[in-house]
Amino acid sequence: DTAVSQTPKYLVTQMGNDKSIKCEQNLGHDTMYWYKQDSKKFLKIMFSYNNKELIINETVPNRFSPKSPDKAHLNLHINSLELGDSAVYFCASSQGDRKTGELFFGEGSRLTVL
Amino acid sequence: AQSVTQLDSHVSVSEGTPVLLRCNYSSSYSPSLFWYVQHPNKGLQLLLKYTSAATLVKGINGFEAEFKKSETSFHLTKPSAHMSDAAEYFCVVSLTGGYNKLIFGAGTRLAVHP
Repeated sequence: DTAVSQTPKYLVTQMGNDKSIKCEQNLGHDTMYWYKQDSKKFLKIMFSYNNKELIINETVPNRFSPKSPDKAHLNLHINSLELGDSAVYFCASSQGDRKTGELFFGEGSRLTVL
Repeated sequence: AQSVTQLDSHVSVSEGTPVLLRCNYSSSYSPSLFWYVQHPNKGLQLLLKYTSAATLVKGINGFEAEFKKSETSFHLTKPSAHMSDAAEYFCVVSLTGGYNKLIFGAGTRLAVHP
């Protein structure tokens, strides 16, 4: 049973296209996150939702729009893709809003923009 | 501002020898610190965490880390490396305030040779 699952795992697309990455967690957690990992393995938080409410919104271009239809899902939509968007995107979840530092990560979605 | 610096981008050890992965932190407050591990093409997994209780923290797979305030360090160690320990390791600090806003170090790639 996969705790945090992301689809698709790999995505290759052209510049200017719009794409979405979906994330689902079956851990019963209230908080979900999107992280971006660049080619140098550097990880940076993009967004976080707690019970469908946006609680962390880093300096991310507004071409990126997260959507949380319910607390078990957090999707990431990207408009007008650019070369610099190529990265691995990780979804994660944690229990409630307690600051435990323990996040459960999905296996990542590797986006390649040509 | 809170941050972490991982002092080595690559560490190579022989199987059965000790592992030392170095991390220094910068924080105005008593920090919450973590080590996460990322195996190839996998998501990240929490190894261990320090949250102002015991300064020597034990984690999974035989890893441990010691919080040293005087040295602002949180180095990760293991007495005897195993081939399966080969992975990317991230030192992480949690920002003060609410929510799990984690700041990741640049990562250290651990290679284990037979």
